[in-house]
Amino acid sequence: NAGVTQTPKFQVLKTGQSMTLQCAQDMNHEYMSWYRQDPGMGLRLIHYSVGAGITDQGEVPNGYNVSRSTTEDFPLRLLSAAPSQTSVYFCASSSPTGSYNEQFFGPGTRLTVL
Amino acid sequence: EDQVTQSPEALRLQEGESSSLNCSYTVSGLRGLFWYRQDPGKGPEFLFTLYSAGEEKEKERLKATLTKKESFLHITAPKPEDSATYLCAVQADGGGGATNKLIFGTGTLLAVQP
Repeated sequence: NAGVTQTPKFQVLKTGQSMTLQCAQDMNHEYMSWYRQDPGMGLRLIHYSVGAGITDQGEVPNGYNVSRSTTEDFPLRLLSAAPSQTSVYFCASSSPTGSYNEQFFGPGTRLTVL
Repeated sequence: EDQVTQSPEALRLQEGESSSLNCSYTVSGLRGLFWYRQDPGKGPEFLFTLYSAGEEKEKERLKATLTKKESFLHITAPKPEDSATYLCAVQADGGGGATNKLIFGTGTLLAVQP
């Protein structure tokens, strides 16, 4: 199993550009989430999904869109990038059965918005 | 408002010098408390889940404990490879069914010197 994969690893955008951060998992997990990590702020939840076709907002959803058309993929779209979105983005997945609370994290995408 | 506070922000230990990290929390209803380890440039790695006051879990030199207001991560005879940022997170009982939303603290940066 590859676990949770994220692409790209690094990205530089100009203000106003749009892009999609990719996240995929091969563990057949129903739950997937996107977090951003900023110095001194901890990990903050952006959007999450409890299954294909179902998404909901987290703590800091503004400026981001998500969709979940398959169990495996959960892309995060930045609509119009702003310098405040400079951060490290982590995708995570977990299963609702057994030890479902154990979230598996991807390696992260480091995004810089100029 | 649900909140997680970790202390100290940073801790420097000599190899073999045992210590504890603290995670205090306020949450409407605790579904679970989680400890993660994060190495530089990587995603968080799951360590423990604790569900109820009095519960303890151990893994190698690490032992996590839980009370109604806080959790401790005890590190016994640490080695340099234990150097990392340790993150605490809580999952609140939102009352609306299963969810995978976690609230993270800002972490404790642990450095173990040989």
